[in-house]
Amino acid sequence: ELKVEQNPLFLSMQEGKNYTIYCNYSTTSDRLYWYRQDPGKSLESLFVLLSNGAVKQEGRLMASLDTKARLSTLHITAAVHDLSATYFCAVDIRYTGNQFYFGTGTSLTVIP
Amino acid sequence: GAVVSQHPSWVICKSGTSVKIECRSLDFQATTMFWYRQFPKQSLMLMATSNEGSKATYEQGVEKDKFLINHASLTLSTLTVTSAHPEDSSFYICSARVWGGSNQPQHFGDGTRLSIL
Repeated sequence: ELKVEQNPLFLSMQEGKNYTIYCNYSTTSDRLYWYRQDPGKSLESLFVLLSNGAVKQEGRLMASLDTKARLSTLHITAAVHDLSATYFCAVDIRYTGNQFYFGTGTSLTVIP
Repeated sequence: GAVVSQHPSWVICKSGTSVKIECRSLDFQATTMFWYRQFPKQSLMLMATSNEGSKATYEQGVEKDKFLINHASLTLSTLTVTSAHPEDSSFYICSARVWGGSNQPQHFGDGTRLSIL
């Protein structure tokens, strides 16, 4: 059974601090995506990671992928309140026909 | 960029009613669309994969007679929740990928909040 687990599930942190969210998955994949979801809203694409060692950065967020460890990280630098949201990783398993399997989600609250 | 439109955004109806949700790709063609369900404070669960011109592929545990999917064109997929009951209340989200863009992220609609009284 495919599992996509995120850690932590809930995160409350002060503005200006750094933190890393982890996404572990249980089967072979070389495609991983990060999404952001605001309350009551749909998903916004943040990063597309397509190979081992891929690193992408956008503003205060940086995502990386280690396909050998089956691990992706989303690093938050100098958090600001606007980053408060729920973050999901999603794994793309080719042999299942282009489907996404979502992680458990990490609910982030940045406190002023 | 690729835009996926979902309609309606919120629907409240009585138990026993059937509800149709539309998912349209506005500026691209999508041979495959996906339907997800999300309960409060939970992750997205894939319900089914909608294939243009053929039958949908349902995930284990999803009743195909309950959740009817029709993908009649390259830009439109519909999900009909038949004889809806309160336990069907949820946030339903569709997504689509640009045709031929297997390395691209899925683009999500704004979701439909379904409340069954």
